[in-house]
Amino acid sequence: GENVEQHPSTLSVQEGDSAVIKCTYSDSASNYFPWYKQELGKRPQLIIDIRSNVGEKKDQRIAVTLNKTAKHFSLHITETQPEDSAVYFCAASTNRDDKIIFGKGTRLHILP
Amino acid sequence: EPEVTQTPSHQVTQMGQEVILRCVPISNHLYFYWYRQILGQKVEFLVSFYNNEISEKSEIFDDQFSVERPDGSNFTLKIRSTKLEDSAMYFCASVGGGSYEQYFGPGTRLTVT
Repeated sequence: GENVEQHPSTLSVQEGDSAVIKCTYSDSASNYFPWYKQELGKRPQLIIDIRSNVGEKKDQRIAVTLNKTAKHFSLHITETQPEDSAVYFCAASTNRDDKIIFGKGTRLHILP
Repeated sequence: EPEVTQTPSHQVTQMGQEVILRCVPISNHLYFYWYRQILGQKVEFLVSFYNNEISEKSEIFDDQFSVERPDGSNFTLKIRSTKLEDSAMYFCASVGGGSYEQYFGPGTRLTVT
């Protein structure tokens, strides 16, 4: 079945610096790649997503890149702020309406 | 903005007891899901439901689990005889027809003692 690998498991960056989280997936049929931010005790919150017909997508300080050939996708957060501290999950899905397979998460700490 | 809701927010039960977790998906959504997240771990797919039947289920979703849409609004997850390892946060999600984005509910924290 589909497997999503995510690294690093923990990431600490100075406030104002950039953070990069990387993921790989196993199922070449995957075509939807959402990223979620989860604060302690809360639901996963979609922050950005990308579909396989697009290589890059940006929304303010957040960007996601996708390399379908290598089955890699990455999240980039620029100008990090204290409120960016959370756990971030990458995920993959093969079809519209299909289940979402999550990575193991990255705990991001923004250092003052 | 419409939201998925879940009740209760926290359920404590004894091992071997039955629990029912309730979800109200967004009203015009057609596809429904249950996921679980053991503390400190990733979110795991349990089951998907469409047109009043299960579309897909994971290995976790064994005979102790069942889902139901008893009326036009509720979507429930039943665990027949809870085990200690069922302790987790359970999230319901729904998606509208033709969409990719799944909307997650706030979760029910299940604690089995």
